Amino acid sequence: GAVVSQHPSWVICKSGTSVKIECRSLDFQATTMFWYRQFPKQSLMLMATSNEGSKATYEQGVEKDKFLINHASLTLSTLTVTSAHPEDSSFYICSASLTGNNSPLHFGNGTRLTVT
Amino acid sequence: GQNIDQPTEMTATEGAIVQINCTYQTSGFNGLFWYQQHAGEAPTFLSYNVLDGLEEKGRFSSFLSRSKGYSYLLLKELQMKDSASYLCAVSHKLIFGAGTRLAVHP
Repeated sequence: GAVVSQHPSWVICKSGTSVKIECRSLDFQATTMFWYRQFPKQSLMLMATSNEGSKATYEQGVEKDKFLINHASLTLSTLTVTSAHPEDSSFYICSASLTGNNSPLHFGNGTRLTVT
Repeated sequence: GQNIDQPTEMTATEGAIVQINCTYQTSGFNGLFWYQQHAGEAPTFLSYNVLDGLEEKGRFSSFLSRSKGYSYLLLKELQMKDSASYLCAVSHKLIFGAGTRLAVHP
């Protein structure tokens, strides 16, 4: 089945530094990937839609200059949290689908970010 | 706008049946998904409904009524491992509900 790999699984960084999270589709090509953020005991909140070869589409309230998304190939999307602050500490999850809106999303295992 | 509602928490007994409801109001609709998420892990796909009616898959079934903006997930023969959060999500952009935390007790 479709596999999405996310790296790293967890990361601890100091306030003010930047962190890059990678999301790879291992056995399929994903023209679209999605980035979610999840705070404890809350649901997944869609941050942005990552489109291969074009600019990402950000949801309302998500700062595009703070959460940089690059989707340079059909199998890789990256999310960079720039100048991280403690309030950015969260569980970040990427996902991709095989054929679009009617296919279930396959999720990466998530990245737990802790900013100290 | 988009709004998805589901109960925050539910409890049930091992071996029992539980129904988790989800109501939605969205501007676009390409189907409704149910996902299971254990604490600290990524969601896993359970079911997908695009037409009205019941979809059965083993112990899990999902129902959809598009005219009512309503779906439910039915879990039969509950096991302890079914204790998790259950998220309904509406396609087009796969907006998630807040999730229902199900606790299964012996």
